[in-house]
Amino acid sequence: QQPVQSPQAVILREGEDAVINCSSSKALYSVHWYRQKHGEAPVFLMILLKGGEQKGHEKISASFNEKKQQSSLYLTASQLSYSGTYFCGTGNHNTDKLIFGTGTRLQVFP
Amino acid sequence: DAGITQSPRHKVTETGTPVTLRCHQTENHRYMYWYRQDPGHGLRLIHYSYGVKDTDKGEVSDGYSVSRSKTEDFLLTLESATSSQTSVYFCAISVANGELFFGEGSRLTVL
Repeated sequence: QQPVQSPQAVILREGEDAVINCSSSKALYSVHWYRQKHGEAPVFLMILLKGGEQKGHEKISASFNEKKQQSSLYLTASQLSYSGTYFCGTGNHNTDKLIFGTGTRLQVFP
Repeated sequence: DAGITQSPRHKVTETGTPVTLRCHQTENHRYMYWYRQDPGHGLRLIHYSYGVKDTDKGEVSDGYSVSRSKTEDFLLTLESATSSQTSVYFCAISVANGELFFGEGSRLTVL
């Protein structure tokens, strides 16, 4: 089953913050986050592993709650360049598959 | 940087015809994936490969087959294309630390 992302869409003004959540019904070993701009391929942001620490990438960071099988992506002081669709991808111990959520569309306006 | 090329980038075909999409990598990465992307569904895994001649099914494998006879090439075949297979297809390779690096995508339209 695909992980569930929420919200489905977010509209922000430059400088505002946002949180995107990713929830799975299965035990997770890893969570990936990607951003895709319109007409382009998804681009890797970060990966969080079970037992690992919260990761950061510029003003974008993420957490991984293994017990709740959830991950959250935090975007602070958003910039126009943050616009795009964000996908979480989840991996399990017994498989090499990476299953993606349906995405969260983020739009940042001046 | 990982090099990955998908071909063709655009294809229009008719229902019932066979179609093969090719994914070529310039480095010897072991894992390769095929995803399809459709509005409202995000990226869905079709098949993946963990080595030459080693492949496994993903979430939406019905109607698709794959082959990997060389490390650098991963082929996705639609034996008899249907309109429901109209989609954008992305190939990806697993590079350092498990990161997926995606190709530019192949847009397939089945009439």
